[in-house]
Amino acid sequence: GENVEQHPSTLSVQEGDSAVIKCTYSDSASNYFPWYKQELGKGPQLIIDIRSNVGEKKDQRIAVTLNKTAKHFSLHITETQPEDSAVYFCAPNNDMRFGAGTRLTVKP
Amino acid sequence: EAGVAQSPRYKIIEKRQSVAFWCNPISGHATLYWYQQILGQGPKLLIQFQNNGVVDDSQLPKDRFSAERLKGVDSTLKIQPAKLEDSAVYLCASSFTGGAYEQYFGPGTRLTVT
Repeated sequence: GENVEQHPSTLSVQEGDSAVIKCTYSDSASNYFPWYKQELGKGPQLIIDIRSNVGEKKDQRIAVTLNKTAKHFSLHITETQPEDSAVYFCAPNNDMRFGAGTRLTVKP
Repeated sequence: EAGVAQSPRYKIIEKRQSVAFWCNPISGHATLYWYQQILGQGPKLLIQFQNNGVVDDSQLPKDRFSAERLKGVDSTLKIQPAKLEDSAVYLCASSFTGGAYEQYFGPGTRLTVT
């Protein structure tokens, strides 16, 4: 099975700054790389995903980059806003093994 | 499009009692997942169904947990008897099919075992 590590476990930024969260995986056969956002009292929600034939994908302020050689992918959030405060999870290959999560706090 | 429905939203029981959770996935989704999320951790897969067949239940504590998916639609997860360490949020998710497809999560059921 997949070993998944997320870093950092907590991240605090000032509103307007950028945030980067990294996910490292072990299974070189992984081909799907999603990021989920979980707000308090809610289930996780997909915010962006990337497939193995693409190196980068962008959706407004959110981007995901993939380095298959090094077996990691990263979530980038630019111009952070207070509503970005949440816990973010990676789940490489949708293998149902989620990372431990990164708690992002955006200070107004 | 209606989302994944779960009930109840909250449940408090004493240890050794039994409890059941219900999930109604998004219409047309063949794959259904049950996760356990302990406070401060990522979701941990308990069981995955494809239609009404079990794909993966390797992390389901089968001595006390059971799950079924009737007619490939609704699903129930049962714990009998409950232990203190079962206190967690139980999340149900569904997807069009297994693998590289978005999972849609329900709001979860928060279980407290006293």
